Amino acid sequence: QMQLQESGPGLVRPSQTLSLTCSVSGVFISSGSYYWGWIRQPVGKGLEWVGHIFSVGSAKSNPSLQGRVTISRDMSNNQFSLELSSVTAADTAVYYCVSIDCTNGLCSLDYWGHGALVTVSS
Amino acid sequence: DIHLTQSPSSLSASARDRVTITCRATQNIDIHLNWYQQAPGKAPRLLVYAASSLQSGVPSRFSGSGSGTEFTLTISSLQPEDFVTYYCQQSYSYPYTFGQGTKVEIQ
Repeated sequence: QMQLQESGPGLVRPSQTLSLTCSVSGVFISSGSYYWGWIRQPVGKGLEWVGHIFSVGSAKSNPSLQGRVTISRDMSNNQFSLELSSVTAADTAVYYCVSIDCTNGLCSLDYWGHGALVTVSS
Repeated sequence: DIHLTQSPSSLSASARDRVTITCRATQNIDIHLNWYQQAPGKAPRLLVYAASSLQSGVPSRFSGSGSGTEFTLTISSLQPEDFVTYYCQQSYSYPYTFGQGTKVEIQ
């Protein structure tokens, strides 16, 4: 059974970089079966796709985040990471890491971490 | 971007009721549509993928249908644990997008 767990600072200062890591167990992230991604949810609001990294190492991110997103992976530790630069209060949210199963070209977010609340405040 | 609109945004129902939630897309997304359930304070959980395929472990009272621009999630007999929020999500094109959510409340 796959499990994902987010870790990182819960408080980030405005204009700084938000950094989160997702530790994966139960499957190797180097396997081509999954993509690895991030979803965020402001408290009391809806879900927003942040981006994900493909098995070949390239990544896609939401254009609404204006190029501030970097998603990378550390295969030796079976982890992947999110960096969001130049944060503002609008980036305050619960951040979820997810696995994305794209069997037969139909992609779904099948496993989720518990979520990490990140607050942007001075 | 593909915009997804769920209706209703909230509904009141009783245990054992049958409820249907609709998700409409602003363009044809074939069957690239998934449904998630989210309880308060919890991560979302995948219920239905590819419009109508039930995720492993999900009770059979949940079902999905549709293709193109209109999709439905049906709960055939509401159980107490089903009174939470539901989201649709498209993976047809980037950026992936979600509906605004439908909250199912106890009448």
